[in-house]
Amino acid sequence: GQNIDQPTEMTATEGAIVQINCTYQTSGFNGLFWYQQHAGEAPTFLSYNVLDGLEEKGRFSSFLSRSKGYSYLLLKELQMKDSASYLCAVEGDGNNRKLIWGLGTSLAVNP
Amino acid sequence: EAGVAQSPRYKIIEKRQSVAFWCNPISGHATLYWYQQILGQGPKLLIQFQNNGVVDDSQLPKDRFSAERLKGVDSTLKIQPAKLEDSAVYLCASSPEGLAGNNEQFFGPGTRLTVL
Repeated sequence: GQNIDQPTEMTATEGAIVQINCTYQTSGFNGLFWYQQHAGEAPTFLSYNVLDGLEEKGRFSSFLSRSKGYSYLLLKELQMKDSASYLCAVEGDGNNRKLIWGLGTSLAVNP
Repeated sequence: EAGVAQSPRYKIIEKRQSVAFWCNPISGHATLYWYQQILGQGPKLLIQFQNNGVVDDSQLPKDRFSAERLKGVDSTLKIQPAKLEDSAVYLCASSPEGLAGNNEQFFGPGTRLTVL
C-alpha cells in the first residue's frame, strides 16, 4: 500500500528551530512536496524535492533521502505566524502527477 | 495573475439535499483537482481532470458525487443526496501541464460544507 507518516502535533517556542519529519512508502517516486495550511485557509506551496539533499529557501529548508523514504521540513527563527499545519505529499509513479497526502502536522508556536 | 476561484465559500444544507460547487482554475492550467478535506486530516483526492478528461476518480463516491469539466476550464462538483459525513471543506486546485519537475498545485479558498 501507499503510506505517508508525519507527527500529528508539535509545539515550539518563538525564535527556535523545529524539524518536522515525514516518512513515506509509495509505489514509485517522482517528487516530494511540503505545503503550509493555516487554520481555515487553503494549503500553500512551500517546497519541492526530487533529488537527495537539502533545499533552502529563506527560513524554511527541506531535506530528502530517497533511499530511506524520508524527508524533513526545517523551520528556523520561528515566528508566531508559523503556527499552522504542515502537509507532506508525495508524487508516486504513473504519469498523472497525482499526489499522496499525509495527514499533516499541526505546529503551535508559543511566545 | 488571478488565483483559483471557488464558490460558494460556505454552504449549509440538510441531509438528503443536493449541493453544487464551482471552480475556476488559473488560466492556462490543464490539470484540475477536487479534494475533500475533513477537519484535522490531509486532503483526499476525489477527482482529477486533465483538460476535460478524467484522469483519476478512484476515490469519488460515484453513487452520490459527480463532477464535470465540460470545456476544459471551469468545473463543478455535485453531491446528491448529501450525507452527514460529507461535512468537510472541498478544495479545488489546478496545476500546469508539466510532464516532469515541480508540478506545484495551486489551491482555491475552498468551500466549507455543513450537512445537518
